[in-house]
Amino acid sequence: QKEVEQDPGPLSVPEGAIVSLNCTYSNSAFQYFMWYRQYSRKGPELLMYTYSSGNKEDGRFTAQVDKSSKYISLFIRDSQPSDSATYLCAILDDKIIFGKGTRLHILP
Amino acid sequence: NAGVTQTPKFQVLKTGQSMTLQCAQDMNHNSMYWYRQDPGMGLRLIYYSASEGTTDKGEVPNGYNVSRLNKREFSLRLESAAPSQTSVYFCASSARVVQGIYNEQFFGPGTRLTVL
Repeated sequence: QKEVEQDPGPLSVPEGAIVSLNCTYSNSAFQYFMWYRQYSRKGPELLMYTYSSGNKEDGRFTAQVDKSSKYISLFIRDSQPSDSATYLCAILDDKIIFGKGTRLHILP
Repeated sequence: NAGVTQTPKFQVLKTGQSMTLQCAQDMNHNSMYWYRQDPGMGLRLIYYSASEGTTDKGEVPNGYNVSRLNKREFSLRLESAAPSQTSVYFCASSARVVQGIYNEQFFGPGTRLTVL
């Protein structure tokens, strides 16, 4: 089983909708969980990271970790066309392990 | 402050040719990384350098060599390119590697390599 599983999409939603992006992971010992955003033809950039379980909010973005089900989520409220990108979840093992990324399209 | 820079941006090679991808960072980071990104495969670590003078293999090191030239620069060399090495290559850096502690990685813009 892969360390981190992520649906590659693409996911298309209308502008203003709430977006939910999800990943599952295999090892309950993982403590750090990250979300990177990657625009087309650019390098990934860190969006948010959380330590252990619970929620973390930053503006329109909320990262959520459910350690009991080994599930991590990123919610985007009031989605904008500028949010169109690939979103990669990642966990910290002895190295950072990335999911394959979900392509998100916000339709104007 | 340019962050992480990579050269070249694009490259086309023939099978068997060699080339070196260059990476530099100006954030005084100790640790640097090389990844490749392929459709459907995500980002995979090729090699990393935890600090100047050290290098270690990542998940997919075969066919590559690296050199940590100094604290700023970390190069990736393909000695005999193969079509399977067609990919987008990203360099990244972080302040340091501390076991079990997350340090944000900052990525360069990537090098798009095609091997014919």
